[in-house]
Amino acid sequence: DAGITQSPRHKVTETGTPVTLRCHQTENHRYMYWYRQDPGHGLRLIHYSYGVKDTDKGEVSDGYSVSRSKTEDFLLTLESATSSQTSVYFCAIGASYEQYFGPGTRLTVT
Amino acid sequence: SQQGEEDPQALSIQEGENATMNCSYKTSINNLQWYRQNSGRGLVHLILIRSNEREKHSGRLRVTLDTSKKSSSLLITASRAADTASYFCATDGSGSARQLTFGSGTQLTVLP
Repeated sequence: DAGITQSPRHKVTETGTPVTLRCHQTENHRYMYWYRQDPGHGLRLIHYSYGVKDTDKGEVSDGYSVSRSKTEDFLLTLESATSSQTSVYFCAIGASYEQYFGPGTRLTVT
Repeated sequence: SQQGEEDPQALSIQEGENATMNCSYKTSINNLQWYRQNSGRGLVHLILIRSNEREKHSGRLRVTLDTSKKSSSLLITASRAADTASYFCATDGSGSARQLTFGSGTQLTVLP
């Protein structure tokens, strides 16, 4: 998986609780991305980063925030989880135009 | 909103046959890429074709791009059971962070 790890790999949480997902890369790539994947929707971009402390919103950013304090780590936070945020979350890194994906985190909000 | 839309949504073929998947997109692009996703795994990059290219090959993969029709096709020749996966097209436009927009995918099943 191109030197990308995600943690946790599975998480069950209750509505209203905060949740943080971590993406860690060992490739020293500048670009990092968070996607969610839901049946029938493919992958949708939540947030992305183009450098340390440089982040921006994607297509479905409402209810999510991100932080990148080091090149290798990109954190996705759900401030107050809702059932609609039950999904599989993928982190990706970008070198040129290709992206390389982590193994995913399956999040269930009950 | 989805930039790319794959067709068909699902495809089932016998081992040894060729598989063709199509992707249509809406706005102008710089590049179009195809990715594969095995069940329960992350996406894997297969091939990238630039907007000024019409055809590209990589092993058993052949990709075509028709920018006038805003469409692309992915051909997998002599398919194998291991090719069973979901296939996604992804496009990038003028975004400075090389953002990709993915289609909803084609589920390919290759029967032994």
